[in-house]
Amino acid sequence: AQRVTQPEKLLSVFKGAPVELKCNYSYSGSPELFWYVQYSRQRLQLLLRHISRESIKGFTADLNKGETSFHLKKPFAQEEDSAMYYCALRSNFGNEKLTFGTGTRLTIIP
Amino acid sequence: EAGVAQSPRYKIIEKRQSVAFWCNPISGHATLYWYQQILGQGPKLLIQFQNNGVVDDSQLPKDRFSAERLKGVDSTLKIQPAKLEDSAVYLCASSYSFGDNEQFFGPGTRLTVL
Repeated sequence: AQRVTQPEKLLSVFKGAPVELKCNYSYSGSPELFWYVQYSRQRLQLLLRHISRESIKGFTADLNKGETSFHLKKPFAQEEDSAMYYCALRSNFGNEKLTFGTGTRLTIIP
Repeated sequence: EAGVAQSPRYKIIEKRQSVAFWCNPISGHATLYWYQQILGQGPKLLIQFQNNGVVDDSQLPKDRFSAERLKGVDSTLKIQPAKLEDSAVYLCASSYSFGDNEQFFGPGTRLTVL
């Protein structure tokens, strides 16, 4: 069975400080990992995926298979980063469904 | 491009009543998903369609939930009869094809069962 764990429900960070949102997963194969974000009054949307290895809005995430983690990082937090963040895992065979974590609400303190 | 549309946005019903939700995916998207998001939890997949065929409905409570996508475009999700624990946001998402990585989400329907 696949599982995604986001240990922090709430995270508050001062503007300009580094941000790290934790995500751990359990999966027996080679997963695809994603971060989705939901800003206030907006739809859930894809932020980034590990296979593209890009930086979106200053955020990066590296898949660490040894530690089964996919932590989201940003060196300098901005107020517009305040949102709900969900880590998600997708199996690479079968129906390829997404399994989401419980989410972390990030608040950037001005 | 227009996004995924859902209606209604909010619904309040009493337990044992029936309710239906509608979803119109992005034009050309073959794959459609229904998720249930209970307060404080992440979205949980209920059912996944590829065109008008069901790919995965393993987490759909089939004794009370049903979904269809008859013409491979719009979809409806029905609950009959509703229980208190069905209170949640129901999200519809679509992707261009089966196996495509990015899913585009609708605004959701917030259901409250009293």
